[in-house]
Amino acid sequence: GAVVSQHPSWVICKSGTSVKIECRSLDFQATTMFWYRQFPKQSLMLMATSNEGSKATYEQGVEKDKFLINHASLTLSTLTVTSAHPEDSSFYICSARAVGANYGYTFGSGTRLTVV
Amino acid sequence: QKEVEQNSGPLSVPEGAIASLNCTYSDRGSQSFFWYRQYSGKSPELIMSIYSNGDKEDGRFTAQLNKASQYVSLLIRDSQPSDSATYLCAVLNSGYALNFGKGTSLLVTP
Repeated sequence: GAVVSQHPSWVICKSGTSVKIECRSLDFQATTMFWYRQFPKQSLMLMATSNEGSKATYEQGVEKDKFLINHASLTLSTLTVTSAHPEDSSFYICSARAVGANYGYTFGSGTRLTVV
Repeated sequence: QKEVEQNSGPLSVPEGAIASLNCTYSDRGSQSFFWYRQYSGKSPELIMSIYSNGDKEDGRFTAQLNKASQYVSLLIRDSQPSDSATYLCAVLNSGYALNFGKGTSLLVTP
């Protein structure tokens, strides 16, 4: 149980275009999803917290107009990287909290974004 | 920004030995702690969670927590080459998101 499906697993896009990443909770309702970014040999850095039906909360230094987050249902959250640039190339991972005895956080499989 | 610190390694241990991974955190109010394993190019997978001071064992893994010292560790007994990965320490913050350390790279040599 507690599976988060993330798509696409990798994407290459041209500079200036937009890319949408989807995360779906398959067997549970995720009222909150978290979006992380990981650069090579670095740790996961929290970008934003996405709550169903409300605006996302962005971490300091993350541009909310560039990284658009939508969490319109209890099973789907999307991250759109707008006007992507090469410096946005990174590994993007979503996570959702599956409420249970261990309060485990389940991660999507990640999206490798390369902007050329 | 609440800090989670880990030695980046690499930590090299021979097969069958005990690997010891350490983590310190800055937020004294933290209550929930997690160890994740991450293989290159993959997303993290949960190994263990720990919430109370002391030891918690699960198979070959033992997590240790000392809130007074703001220290959490992970021991891996009978290390296997398949355990070679980056181990991430994570601390739950007040917003219910996880703050991660930079990870310790573990290499288990046959």
